[in-house]
Formats: sequence, C-alpha cells, structure tokens
Amino acid sequence: QSALTQPASVSGSPGQSITISCTGTSSDVGGFDYVSWYQQHPGKAPKLIISAVSKRPSGVSDRFSGSKSGNTASLTISGLQAEDEADYYCNSFTSSSTYVFGTGTKVTVL
Amino acid sequence: QVQLQESGPGLVKPSQTLSLTCTVSGGSISSGSYYWTWIRQPAGKGLEWIGHIYTSGRTNFNPSLKSRVIISQDTSKNQFSLRLISVTAADTAVYYCARGVVIPPAFDSWGQGSLVAVSS
Repeated sequence: QSALTQPASVSGSPGQSITISCTGTSSDVGGFDYVSWYQQHPGKAPKLIISAVSKRPSGVSDRFSGSKSGNTASLTISGLQAEDEADYYCNSFTSSSTYVFGTGTKVTVL
Repeated sequence: QVQLQESGPGLVKPSQTLSLTCTVSGGSISSGSYYWTWIRQPAGKGLEWIGHIYTSGRTNFNPSLKSRVIISQDTSKNQFSLRLISVTAADTAVYYCARGVVIPPAFDSWGQGSLVAVSS
C-alpha cells in the first residue's frame, strides 16, 4: 500500500487559516469516511485531532476542522497560533482492512 | 484514562528479532471496540502502521511487513507484544504502541515511543 500524499510543508502567519491536503485512492480515502488526522510536536507521540473525516475528540480546539471530497481529505487550521507549529499526518482505513498514513506535513507559523 | 508504555531492548543486531511489549493501564485490552496497534517512525520520516491485534486474538498487518511480524497479547498481564524477525538497519525507528478505535477507525491513545536501533 502506498502512503497517502501530503504537501511537505505549509506555512502561515498567526491568525491566518491554512489547509493541508491528503490524497489517496478509491481504495482508501475515497472509499470510506474513515480519515483521521494527527498532530506531532518534535520528540512527542502523535495526538489524534480529527477522526471520521471531521469529528473532533473532546478537548481538541475547534480551530481544527476536517473535510473530504473524492479521494482527497483536508485539514484546516483556523486562527493559526504558534503552538500549532508541528508535523501533521493523515491516516485512512483501506479496502484491505489495513491502515495507511500520509507522508506528513510540516506546519510553520511565520 | 488509558495509558500505554512500550518496553524492550534499544539495540538489536541485524538478522535478529526485535521484541517490544506494550503495557496498558487504566483500561483492559480484553474489552471490545479496540485494536491494539503498533506503529513506527524512522528518524526524520513519517509514520508507518505495522499491525494490530483485536480482543479475539485476530491480527492484521501491513502487507509490506506481514511476512516478518508477529503480534500477540497476554490478557493476564494486560500487555500486547510485537516481534519483528530478520531485522535490518531499515527497521531502526521509534516504535509506538497505540489504542485503535474500531469504529470510527482512529488511534486515540499512544505510548511515548521506544527507540530501537538495528546495528552490529
């Protein structure tokens, strides 16, 4: 299974909104509403911020939102803050009942 | 709140077997609705799903690793384990154990990670 495709880096100024894309195929992203997103700060374990395309777990800021269209899922961070500077990974369930991660995106707050 | 903690050797010789254990506290691995999962991350690279074990003992693995991976559980100790055979330098990574929610699929709790280096 091939990793889902994400942009290597995205940047924005404080207060701005940014969007990270996650492109797969009809066998993963496009086939199921089972895309999740993870935030990872340096040296730390990843943290779940979005499940099932657009659901935020309890305690996750509503500045994070998710969506999907066809084979591409997206994570939007609104009102960008310095603490949002981290790596972000998407993940999808697949038609083989396995899971595949995205290539990862480094978010920089300018 | 469930907590997960990886343990095992930090150094493994090439061609040998990597073995890690994940101890779960604050919840039982025997309860349904969760997949107990292993994920790894080479230094400076992305996350890779290795595989998981369900309460029933059913397992599923990444096709690229399937021939070399064994995941087992010890419900009496509330632990699950990873064995990766015939390792090479390419298996050097931080290994995470995580709790996977069945529906909707997501990894909602993670261990802190365990660095395993493969070197002679």
